Amino acid sequence: GEDVEQSLFLSVREGDSSVINCTYTDSSSTYLYWYKQEPGAGLQLLTYIFSNMDMKQDQRLTVLLNKKDKHLSLRIADTQTGDSAIYFCAESKTGGSYIPTFGRGTSLIVHP
Amino acid sequence: DAGVTQSPTHLIKTRGQQVTLRCSPKSGHDTVSWYQQALGQGPQFIFQYYEEEERQRGNFPDRFSGHQYPNYSSELNVNALLLGDSALYLCASTSRGTGGGGYTFGSGTRLTVV
Repeated sequence: GEDVEQSLFLSVREGDSSVINCTYTDSSSTYLYWYKQEPGAGLQLLTYIFSNMDMKQDQRLTVLLNKKDKHLSLRIADTQTGDSAIYFCAESKTGGSYIPTFGRGTSLIVHP
Repeated sequence: DAGVTQSPTHLIKTRGQQVTLRCSPKSGHDTVSWYQQALGQGPQFIFQYYEEEERQRGNFPDRFSGHQYPNYSSELNVNALLLGDSALYLCASTSRGTGGGGYTFGSGTRLTVV
């Protein structure tokens, strides 16, 4: 199976919270990332978490890491229409020169 | 401070032709990685260059080759283009020794093979 798996779609109402989930297979993953990609654009790093952390908060974004279950989530509070994009989960490891390995992405649709 | 710049932004080539894509890393970065992102997929790692040498390579055939110049800029070359090579090609740069938090991506080159 894939090294990093995500659900493909998520639809939320403006103002609600969005939670995007990701699972990964490699227990030696050192860094776990969330990237955002808007239509026709490259990847924007939103946030990352080191594997010895279980939570990181940055303004409207909260990342939770369950290392035992190899599960990562991204919560976006007060989701806005401008948050509509594809969100990629990625992992990297020390032995791999920290080269990120990506999931297929979750398309977040925010409707009024 | 300019981020990662890629050129061209769009390109149309015919099957069997060769193509060269270019990348200038973010100021202060010395390591360049290339990714292929097919429609509806996540980016797939092609290779990484540091000190003008290919350091790591993903699961891509030898038709994909690259180069890094002394100023850290990089090229991705694809020979004998196939229809399946149509994708967004992304360049990412980082500084060796900054660990895993420093990858910056460009906006990509959209390659269409007809």
